[in-house]
Amino acid sequence: AQSVTQLGSHVSVSEGALVLLRCNYSSSVPPYLFWYVQYPNQGLQLLLKYTTGATLVKGINGFEAEFKKSETSFHLTKPSAHMSDAAEYFCAVSGWNNNDMRFGAGTRLTVKP
Amino acid sequence: NAGVTQTPKFRVLKTGQSMTLLCAQDMNHEYMYWYRQDPGMGLRLIHYSVGEGTTAKGEVPDGYNVSRLKKQNFLLGLESAAPSQTSVYFCASRLRSPNTGELFFGEGSRLTVL
Repeated sequence: AQSVTQLGSHVSVSEGALVLLRCNYSSSVPPYLFWYVQYPNQGLQLLLKYTTGATLVKGINGFEAEFKKSETSFHLTKPSAHMSDAAEYFCAVSGWNNNDMRFGAGTRLTVKP
Repeated sequence: NAGVTQTPKFRVLKTGQSMTLLCAQDMNHEYMYWYRQDPGMGLRLIHYSVGEGTTAKGEVPDGYNVSRLKKQNFLLGLESAAPSQTSVYFCASRLRSPNTGELFFGEGSRLTVL
């Protein structure tokens, strides 16, 4: 079985500040890890993903995440927050031999001017 | 450029009524999924399908039924709606191969059960 835990249901940062959203996973097989973003009244869009290879992955809109096996973590970062980054972010885990994907509870990011 | 389309987008039901949510995808994806989204709980998997004519249970299947008679469509049914089924429902799909796992989502269907 696989699961993810997102630390912090709400994160607030000032515009231009570092964004750090935390995700820890549990998986009995090598994981595939994802970050999705959801804007109000919309579906989820893929930000970035890790499957194999390089552990630092870059996504859209300047976001990146690092897979750390020893820490079972996949934290999402962005050096400088923009007002348009305000949204809800979901971490998710799957695996090469799994048919489903499991999501965390989500973190709502607020960006203050 | 439709992608994943869900209908209806909004629905209000009374307790005990039945309804069906339709998901259609035009990307020739083999795998399709139904999730529900509730505040503070993220997305929870209801049922999924790995191909036409096959379905499987997810984390929270009770009170729901599904059918995949055609590859492009995945139906979610509520036989006797309950207030606990008030939620936003998302359909998603992906390719079987290569299995990079990425899901493509519809825009959601908001269901209220009174």
